[in-house]
Amino acid sequence: DTEVTQTPKHLVMGMTNKKSLKCEQHMGHRAMYWYKQKAKKPPELMFVYSYEKLSINESVPSRFSPECPNSSLLNLHLHALQPEDSALYLCASRLRLADYNEQFFGPGTRLTVL
Amino acid sequence: KNEVEQSPQNLTAQEGEFITINCSYSVGISALHWLQQHPGGGIVSLFMLSSGKKKHGRLIATINIQEKHSSLHITASHPRDSAVYICAVNENTDKLIFGTGTRLQVFP
Repeated sequence: DTEVTQTPKHLVMGMTNKKSLKCEQHMGHRAMYWYKQKAKKPPELMFVYSYEKLSINESVPSRFSPECPNSSLLNLHLHALQPEDSALYLCASRLRLADYNEQFFGPGTRLTVL
Repeated sequence: KNEVEQSPQNLTAQEGEFITINCSYSVGISALHWLQQHPGGGIVSLFMLSSGKKKHGRLIATINIQEKHSSLHITASHPRDSAVYICAVNENTDKLIFGTGTRLQVFP
């Protein structure tokens, strides 16, 4: 299995809803990432988990809450989002070796906040 | 000024043309990546380079570490190559710094 999967593909939610995005990989990668991408812009890093511990939080608002229950799974819990949070949310994973830096990206979840 | 600059921002080509996309960066890096993103889609890693040149099918990527410059070439371009091509660099092992992307359209 050499891919990163993300569910759901599309999500529409209201500002008062609570929802979660899920990311899964079975490549044995020990670093996992959440990115946010607005239209016609490059991805922006949100969070990095390394060995299931949060290692980077790029000053993301607390309405986004990441969780890494095990080495294969990464969740992003969403609560009280704003319309400007509508974007493509990408997950990625990376094998942590000293000289190997390739990230594998998932297909993304397209989120619309009404 | 962005740490990773790409040119051109937009590129149109006729099917069969040879295409070059350039990337310049201003930081020390451990690796440079070329990524492809189709409209509305996820990102696919095309190449990871730390030196020299790599080839995969019709795609060729080169890097000059001294000049802090990389190029992505597409030979015999095809409409299915239409996508956004993103250059990204690893400054440290955990974070990627992305360029703003080059939007390529290849017409039949």
